[in-house]
Amino acid sequence: NAGVTQTPKFQVLKTGQSMTLQCAQDMNHEYMSWYRQDPGMGLRLIHYSVGAGITDQGEVPNGYNVSRSTTEDFPLRLLSAAPSQTSVYFCASSKSTSGSRDTQYFGPGTRLTVL
Amino acid sequence: SQQGEEDPQALSIQEGENATMNCSYKTSINNLQWYRQNSGRGLVHLILIRSNEREKHSGRLRVTLDTSKKSSSLLITASRAADTASYFCATSRDSNYQLIWGAGTKLIIKP
Repeated sequence: NAGVTQTPKFQVLKTGQSMTLQCAQDMNHEYMSWYRQDPGMGLRLIHYSVGAGITDQGEVPNGYNVSRSTTEDFPLRLLSAAPSQTSVYFCASSKSTSGSRDTQYFGPGTRLTVL
Repeated sequence: SQQGEEDPQALSIQEGENATMNCSYKTSINNLQWYRQNSGRGLVHLILIRSNEREKHSGRLRVTLDTSKKSSSLLITASRAADTASYFCATSRDSNYQLIWGAGTKLIIKP
């Protein structure tokens, strides 16, 4: 199993550009989530999904969209990039739909810089 | 909002010594999880301890949970250079699908 994969590993955007961060898992996990990690801070939840077709907002959803058309994929879209979105983004998955009650499996992260 | 707060923020010890880091949280929880993050990498799950458990072991790791004090500790015994990493606690509440994370403890093991 590849586990949780994320692409790209690095990305530089200009303010106002849009892009999609890709996340895929091959463990048939129901719960998937996106976090951002900023220096000196813990992870902050952006959006999460408890199954295909079901998404919800986390702590910091503004400026981001998600969709979950399949169990495997959970892309994160930045609508109009801003310098405040410069961060490292992690995708995670867990087996059960209760998500937070279960072990999280993380991808390697995407380091995004917005100029 | 951050539920978990790790203490200390940074810890530097000699190889072979034991390392202890603590996590405090504010509201009642369903479980508490510890993760390790090597520099520039994704997080790796270490231990999950449920609210009705007081202690769990995994290899050189020992986690305790005191729900009356709303705190947990992670002990790494006989530390190795490879244990150099940041360690995070995350808490799960019954009524919520979300994990709330602390800011982490940065552990440096000196050879």
